[in-house]
Amino acid sequence: DTGVSQNPRHKITKRGQNVTFRCDPISEHNRLYWYRQTLGQGPEFLTYFQNEAQLEKSRLLSDRFSAERPKGSFSTLEIQRTEQGDSAMYLCASSGQQALGETQYFGPGTRLLVL
Amino acid sequence: AQKVTQAQTEISVVEKEDVTLDCVYETRDTTYYLFWYKQPPSGELVFLIRRNSFDEQNEISGRYSWNFQKSTSSFNFTITASQVVDSAVYFCALSPSWGKLQFGAGTQVVVTP
Repeated sequence: DTGVSQNPRHKITKRGQNVTFRCDPISEHNRLYWYRQTLGQGPEFLTYFQNEAQLEKSRLLSDRFSAERPKGSFSTLEIQRTEQGDSAMYLCASSGQQALGETQYFGPGTRLLVL
Repeated sequence: AQKVTQAQTEISVVEKEDVTLDCVYETRDTTYYLFWYKQPPSGELVFLIRRNSFDEQNEISGRYSWNFQKSTSSFNFTITASQVVDSAVYFCALSPSWGKLQFGAGTQVVVTP
């Protein structure tokens, strides 16, 4: 059973550029979550998918952010017109639907640095 | 609103000492779930334990144990006989029944030989 994978692991970009991150959840997990973690803080919820439906978005997810999960499998998170404040670790997690409060398993994260 | 407070910013111990991490939470939900995750220097969050609001039985799993007290809204976590590999940031997290996690700020544990 492979874990959650994320690509790329590191991304350096210049302010104003667009970036896209990919998350592959554990197979057969139908729930997928995106979080953002800045230095010295705990992860903060960004958005959540159940299958291909995006069910909730945090206020942290500005109009420059968009997430998709087109076939209910992998997901992408795109940031348009990046700003220095977007520099953070972007974490993806997945969980199954067997029970409420199902444990979320996290990927290794994508560390973004905006210059 | 939900909130998780980890008052300890950093704990330093010598190997083989026990380490107890405090976690206090706030929620209006009657059904909720509590978690502990470990984040080593590599950055990946590793799941450790999960507890639901209806089960206050405290347990031990290897060198890990936890003390869940609903009356004081606390979910403390203990590492017995710490090892250098336990050095990491530990996060307490709270979720309602559908799974969005609210994390605390984390506690850095430093174990020296």
